[in-house]
Amino acid sequence: DVKVTQSSRYLVKRTGEKVFLECVQDMDHENMFWYRQDPGLGLRLIYFSYDVKMKEKGDIPEGYSVSREKKERFSLILESASTNQTSMYLCASRLAEGYTFGSGTRLTVV
Amino acid sequence: GENVEQHPSTLSVQEGDSAVIKCTYSDSASNYFPWYKQELGKRPQLIIDIRSNVGEKKDQRIAVTLNKTAKHFSLHITETQPEDSAVYFCAARRGGSNYKLTFGKGTLLTVNP
Repeated sequence: DVKVTQSSRYLVKRTGEKVFLECVQDMDHENMFWYRQDPGLGLRLIYFSYDVKMKEKGDIPEGYSVSREKKERFSLILESASTNQTSMYLCASRLAEGYTFGSGTRLTVV
Repeated sequence: GENVEQHPSTLSVQEGDSAVIKCTYSDSASNYFPWYKQELGKRPQLIIDIRSNVGEKKDQRIAVTLNKTAKHFSLHITETQPEDSAVYFCAARRGGSNYKLTFGKGTLLTVNP
């Protein structure tokens, strides 16, 4: 089974802080994704990566950036956290046709 | 870009009844349509998927149908059980998109014993 591991289950950060969310997959998958999940809005794509150092904006990239220095690790960066970025963040790695998701990081910005 | 609409947003059924969730998509180039189930506090998990060259696919009590002309696809769950209670998401992907999925907003299914 592919494992997708998100380093933190819960995070509380202050407005203006720089926040790093980490995601690691244990297979040699090229495609990795960051989504945020909000009630009533479903899963919205923030950024994705299709190879090391390759990235592409999703539907809601504003206020975020990403880093993929190694194939197994895909990081989401909130440059200056704001309260409207309080959300559940889900990382995914492509397994054949579908995705395998991580357990999620619930981020609260106060 | 692709837009996926999902209905209903909530669905309540009695145990043993059938449940149907419907999705429409906007991009006629989309060719892959998965369904994910997310139980409370857990990660979404793929339960069934269908490609555009197939009209229907079944796996035990769940089935998915696809109408390419109308650009809609549906999830059917028969003989529902309380453990089917979860949020269900449909998604669509176009070819050549680096495997990017666009999700619907989800349907909260409650199966009452």
